[in-house]
Amino acid sequence: AQKITQTQPGMFVQEKEAVTLDCTYDTSDPSYGLFWYKQPSSGEMIFLIYQGSYDQQNATEGRYSLNFQKARKSANLVISASQLGDSAMYFCAMREGQVQGAQKLVFGQGTRLTINP
Amino acid sequence: DAGITQSPRHKVTETGTPVTLRCHQTENHRYMYWYRQDPGHGLRLIHYSYGVKDTDKGEVSDGYSVSRSKTEDFLLTLESATSSQTSVYFCAISAGAASRDNEQFFGPGTRLTVL
Repeated sequence: AQKITQTQPGMFVQEKEAVTLDCTYDTSDPSYGLFWYKQPSSGEMIFLIYQGSYDQQNATEGRYSLNFQKARKSANLVISASQLGDSAMYFCAMREGQVQGAQKLVFGQGTRLTINP
Repeated sequence: DAGITQSPRHKVTETGTPVTLRCHQTENHRYMYWYRQDPGHGLRLIHYSYGVKDTDKGEVSDGYSVSRSKTEDFLLTLESATSSQTSVYFCAISAGAASRDNEQFFGPGTRLTVL
């Protein structure tokens, strides 16, 4: 069973609009963490934002915010005021449990975001 | 940017040959990871290390082995490469447990083609 589900294979958004990328997760572990990464066409993986399962407030990092709805097991990424440079593949990932402190991440299949001028 | 390098960056090899990929970090981070990225699968964890000589299997470890004899180096070995191991391989590092200040940093990736 998929532990991380990203239901939008591709999204097209006009520049300057806000965009929400969906992510749902499945875990029975009370302690977990959720990540979003950006992968531009050049291929590198860029960390965007992190949300811990016990964090009381939604995480924010500049134009990125994470809409964390624990009861619904959803961790959507919101990008405000989108820019052409936001065009990339976006991955949601979950850290479930830890072994000696190691972060074993499970990734979703990704959403390809295209920003149109 | 986190100091992570991977070598080689590109490699073409033949089925049945051994292949070793190297990940080198200059951050002195305790934890190191190897992932593979394939279309339709996102990234999947192959092996990880939580210290020198301390390694463990990830989700897709069959056909792969790893070694970590120094903090800064984590080697991934394909003992006998197969076409199904054609992929992009990413190394990652982290300082500690997942938190706002302990994100996982990724290297630039190695594109491996097995003919």
